[in-house]
Amino acid sequence: AQSVAQPEDQVNVAEGNPLTVKCTYSVSGNPYLFWYVQYPNRSLQFLLKYITGDNLVKGSYGFEAEFNKSQTSFHLKKPSALVSDSALYFCAVRSGGNTPLVFGKGTRLSVIA
Amino acid sequence: GAGVSQTPSNKVTEKGKYVELRCDPISGHTALYWYRQSLGQGPEFLIYFQGTGAADDSGLPNDRFFAVRPEGSVSTLKIQRTERGDSAVYLCASSLGGSRTDTQYFGPGTRLTVL
Repeated sequence: AQSVAQPEDQVNVAEGNPLTVKCTYSVSGNPYLFWYVQYPNRSLQFLLKYITGDNLVKGSYGFEAEFNKSQTSFHLKKPSALVSDSALYFCAVRSGGNTPLVFGKGTRLSVIA
Repeated sequence: GAGVSQTPSNKVTEKGKYVELRCDPISGHTALYWYRQSLGQGPEFLIYFQGTGAADDSGLPNDRFFAVRPEGSVSTLKIQRTERGDSAVYLCASSLGGSRTDTQYFGPGTRLTVL
């Protein structure tokens, strides 16, 4: 069975500092990895995805994520955090066949001015 | 262009009642998904439609839940004999096709409260 772990419920970072939101996964077969963001009272918005190719994926709003096969990780990063990045972030994975998209529990990011 | 829309945005019902939740996907998207999100959790898969047919309903928790998509566009999630444990936000998503690499785009959700 496939699964996603987001080990941190909450991440706090000062504005202007780099941020990392961690995600590890477990699948049989090749993983297809996604990051979504949920702002307060809004629905999930797609940020980026890894399908194949370059391990560093660039997405919306200056976010990027690095796929690491040996560590089964897909951490979300941004070089300089903004207060407006404060939101709930979800990592998700899908594997082969018709397996559904499986989400992690989410990590709440708080960027402090 | 218009995104995924869901109605109603909020639904309050009493235990034992029947409810219907509606999803209108992005125009041209053939795949449609229903998820349920409880407080403090990520979305959990319920059912997936490719066109008019349910390609995967393995996430439906029991036979009180079922969903239809009769014309391959709008979908309705139906819950019979609602229970307090059904209270959650029900999310709908659509994607261009059903490929595992396709991005799913989510609607705003319907918050269901069962009293």
